[in-house]
Amino acid sequence: EDQVTQSPEALRLQEGESSSLNCSYTVSGLRGLFWYRQDPGKGPEFLFTLYSAGEEKEKERLKATLTKKESFLHITAPKPEDSATYLCAVWSGTASKLTFGTGTRLQVTL
Amino acid sequence: DAGVIQSPRHEVTEMGQEVTLRCKPISGHDYLFWYRQTMMRGLELLIYFNNNVPIDDSGMPEDRFSAKMPNASFSTLKIQPSEPRDSAVYFCASSFGGGSMGYTFGSGTRLTVV
Repeated sequence: EDQVTQSPEALRLQEGESSSLNCSYTVSGLRGLFWYRQDPGKGPEFLFTLYSAGEEKEKERLKATLTKKESFLHITAPKPEDSATYLCAVWSGTASKLTFGTGTRLQVTL
Repeated sequence: DAGVIQSPRHEVTEMGQEVTLRCKPISGHDYLFWYRQTMMRGLELLIYFNNNVPIDDSGMPEDRFSAKMPNASFSTLKIQPSEPRDSAVYFCASSFGGGSMGYTFGSGTRLTVV
């Protein structure tokens, strides 16, 4: 059974204070790792897909990286509008479904 | 495109009542997923369909839960009878090509069973 663990559970940053979120996984045959952002009262919103170790993707202040055991979401000089819950999910094997971690709640203050 | 549309947004019902949640996927998407989200367990997959056919319902907690997809533009998740432990946010998501393209989620239905 696929397992996805995210850390920390919650993170509070000051505006401009860069940091990283971690997503470690145990799967049989990773086919893709996904990052989503979820705002309160809304559904998760797709950010990135990573397919192989060493791959990196960037979007504004966010950069996602992937190794054989984990993924990092780096947030550079965050702003208050980056406050949200960040979820990672894995796609593995032959099934067409994603297994999600429980997320990291990020709060960015002025 | 209006995205994935779920209704109702909020549902409050009494224990023992039947609850029906509705979902309209994005036109052209061939996969539809039902997830449940709670603080304790995060997002859990309940069931998913490919071309309107249920593929994996192993996440459906028990026989009180059922899901249908009568056509490509509509799906329902029914709970009968409902119990307080069913209280959660239920999300519908759709995709083209299954996991490879990621999912587009709806805004969810917040269910409260009292």
